[in-house]
Amino acid sequence: GESVGLHLPTLSVQEGDNSIINCAYSNSASDYFIWYKQESGKGPQFIIDIRSNMDKRQGQRVTVLLNKTVKHLSLQIAATQPGDSAVYFCAEHAGGTSYGKLTFGQGTILTVHP
Amino acid sequence: DGGITQSPKYLFRKEGQNVTLSCEQNLNHDAMYWYRQDPGQGLRLIYYSQIVNDFQKGDIAEGYSVSREKKESFPLTVTSAQKNPTAFYLCASSIVTESPYEQYFGPGTRLTVT
Repeated sequence: GESVGLHLPTLSVQEGDNSIINCAYSNSASDYFIWYKQESGKGPQFIIDIRSNMDKRQGQRVTVLLNKTVKHLSLQIAATQPGDSAVYFCAEHAGGTSYGKLTFGQGTILTVHP
Repeated sequence: DGGITQSPKYLFRKEGQNVTLSCEQNLNHDAMYWYRQDPGQGLRLIYYSQIVNDFQKGDIAEGYSVSREKKESFPLTVTSAQKNPTAFYLCASSIVTESPYEQYFGPGTRLTVT
């Protein structure tokens, strides 16, 4: 039958502000996490990843924080720019026999206003 | 340049017709994946393949079929049994044997069935 459309969470920020995008994951056995950015009409692009034995990882203007106690992942974008406007997805890899299969979160729409 | 190609970018079909979406990668990745994305929603896994001549159903495999005769190619057929085929289809590939489990995505094919 018809699937019910979901409304993605949205975050609106001013250019130059810092952005924080949150993600709750489900599997305490997940051993790897990744953030993707998807611009309209395009395939997702890698932003940053983190292994479960870490709690923080920094890239260029981006930081990922992992809190395994509450199964929470966040992506921080410093000095957000209009080009950062996109949908952001987190994904987790379950340890053991998943062999590369990722489970994607719902996604968050980030809008950056000049 | 290494990467994933999907063709065509836009595809139009009449209801009741089967249609095959192409996905090719030259990254020498073992695993390949097909996802479906509906407007305002996340990625849902249709099928995945970890090795040539082997593939598994994902979360929404009904109405779809795949083949994996070559490492580089993973075509997806949307059959007339798929009730709501209009969507954005994304192909991805990854190395599965070890972390990082990053999946590389193609540019997507937007299928419209009327």
